[in-house]
Amino acid sequence: GEDVEQSLFLSVREGDSSVINCTYTDSSSTYLYWYKQEPGAGLQLLTYIFSNMDMKQDQRLTVLLNKKDKHLSLRIADTQTGDSAIYFCAERKVNSASKIIFGSGTRLSIRP
Amino acid sequence: EAQVTQNPRYLITVTGKKLTVTCSQNMNHEYMSWYRQDPGLGLRQIYYSMNVEVTDKGDVPEGYKVSRKEKRNFPLILESPSPNQTSLYFCASSLSGTERNSPLHFGNGTRLTVT
Repeated sequence: GEDVEQSLFLSVREGDSSVINCTYTDSSSTYLYWYKQEPGAGLQLLTYIFSNMDMKQDQRLTVLLNKKDKHLSLRIADTQTGDSAIYFCAERKVNSASKIIFGSGTRLSIRP
Repeated sequence: EAQVTQNPRYLITVTGKKLTVTCSQNMNHEYMSWYRQDPGLGLRQIYYSMNVEVTDKGDVPEGYKVSRKEKRNFPLILESPSPNQTSLYFCASSLSGTERNSPLHFGNGTRLTVT
């Protein structure tokens, strides 16, 4: 199958860390992406990781990849109100680079 | 400014009335694609284009047409819209459809309602 799965909702307190999880089913080498969608806007690329990496860090964002379990996570440190958005995990296959498969998106809400 | 521009942002129409949603990018990108976004379903690909005059079906092409006569433009055509095509539509482009590290750039979306 080609499913990319995410939970639909996550609520965290401001200042805490947010962890958004994603699982994928295709074991072929890919690029894996995290996109952010703010209300009324298109998707913006946040970060990406190639499948030969285990971790990538970019300021408050940390991406962890567990290839054995086909599990990807996005950690946002010190979550702020501006982080409220829908976060999409997406997979691009090596052998079919034109096809990008998106998860259903996780809506992150921040409580004071 | 590098961007993907879709028009219109909002559109309400009636069943059967042909419509076109335009998409234009100014980044000289080869690859362009249309997605629809529905609650709980994420983004599903409608059509994509690897380059000028090359288009292919995505996962949900039924009821849609596209054309790629110029590199910068990739219009989405609904010849006879139906209520199940009510959705949020996104156009996206990337430098290449074959280069793995070639992320998508998205337009701001077109919210279509078909009554």
